[in-house]
Amino acid sequence: DAGITQSPRHKVTETGTPVTLRCHQTENHRYMYWYRQDPGHGLRLIHYSYGVKDTDKGEVSDGYSVSRSKTEDFLLTLESATSSQTSVYFCAISGALAPPETQYFGPGTRLLVL
Amino acid sequence: KNQVEQSPQSLIILEGKNCTLQCNYTVSPFSNLRWYKQDTGRGPVSLTIMTFSENTKSNGRYTATLDADTKQSSLHITASQLSDSASYICVVARAGSYQLTFGKGTKLSVIP
Repeated sequence: DAGITQSPRHKVTETGTPVTLRCHQTENHRYMYWYRQDPGHGLRLIHYSYGVKDTDKGEVSDGYSVSRSKTEDFLLTLESATSSQTSVYFCAISGALAPPETQYFGPGTRLLVL
Repeated sequence: KNQVEQSPQSLIILEGKNCTLQCNYTVSPFSNLRWYKQDTGRGPVSLTIMTFSENTKSNGRYTATLDADTKQSSLHITASQLSDSASYICVVARAGSYQLTFGKGTKLSVIP
């Protein structure tokens, strides 16, 4: 999986609790992304980062925040988890935006919010 | 609205047979189109990336075609194997944007 790990791999939590998911890469890639994947939808971008401390919102960013204090780590935080945030979360990395660069995906984190 | 539509939604084929998956998109301006394979419980893995000037690109038994004029792409799998059972996702990138638009995928099942 291209030197990308995600933790935890599975999590069950209750509505209203904070949750932090971690993505760690060993490829020294500049760009990192968080996506969610739900039945009936394609992968949807939550947030992305184009460098340490540089982040921006994706199409479904409400209820999520991110932080990147080191090149290798990108954290996704659900400040107060809701049942609608039950999903599979994927981290991805790429070395550049252009020329077209492959995004390499991590193994995913399956989150269930009760 | 930028969209990527894939067909069929699911497909069952016999091992050894060929199949073709379709992708139509409305993303504009177009930059590149990617096909990913996603095994159950795993992250997507890139198969091909094609830019505007590329009509065909192969990766082993996988061959992707692109018609940028009609905004259509196909993924042809030759001599299918049981390990080809997966979801295949078409992804289109807009020029000048970091955003990718993902299709919902085609779920392929290869049976003995």
